[in-house]
Amino acid sequence: GESVGLHLPTLSVQEGDNSIINCAYSNSASDYFIWYKQESGKGPQFIIDIRSNMDKRQGQRVTVLLNKTVKHLSLQIAATQPGDSAVYFCAETSYKLIFGSGTRLLVRP
Amino acid sequence: EAQVTQNPRYLITVTGKKLTVTCSQNMNHEYMSWYRQDPGLGLRQIYYSMNVEVTDKGDVPEGYKVSRKEKRNFPLILESPSPNQTSLYFCASSSLTGDSYNEQFFGPGTRLTVL
Repeated sequence: GESVGLHLPTLSVQEGDNSIINCAYSNSASDYFIWYKQESGKGPQFIIDIRSNMDKRQGQRVTVLLNKTVKHLSLQIAATQPGDSAVYFCAETSYKLIFGSGTRLLVRP
Repeated sequence: EAQVTQNPRYLITVTGKKLTVTCSQNMNHEYMSWYRQDPGLGLRQIYYSMNVEVTDKGDVPEGYKVSRKEKRNFPLILESPSPNQTSLYFCASSSLTGDSYNEQFFGPGTRLTVL
């Protein structure tokens, strides 16, 4: 499949464990913060977003936490599965979408 | 099936030879965009379009052109490709209703190599 980055930070977790992927953002004026997942050979896929006036939002097996004080965003994946192996991008948006450089998640069987 | 399609998926060309990468979506989305993805640089926006006949520059528009004559299509044109345009290109689309913009639907990507 396509390589999206040769020097991405990598998180390796055991199948069944919880994963936490972190992201620092720069623009305090962003309206939304978003997580995308990119599997090998595919385009990015939307996972979840959070409005800037919230600090937590939950989806199916995923939770996003937003700490505006330290400009930090995290994605928590519960009971990580092999299908979760991918590169994860945080993004922020006010009038346009700006992507971070990504984190590679590897799930060990 | 709701999708964004791109063609070609892979292209090797030579410097200066004009090329077009097509993008089409079947979701009646107003918003369409082109990104390029390079190692260590993430996704950078090239051009975007808010609707038919409305296009605007993104962060890295130099060397590229786009057009939006129909709502479903948003071709990317490289008039005179250069080696620094070797990259992985993604087209994306989204609705502009409410916060739907956050959920952009991406195509499968076009791997372009310019020799």
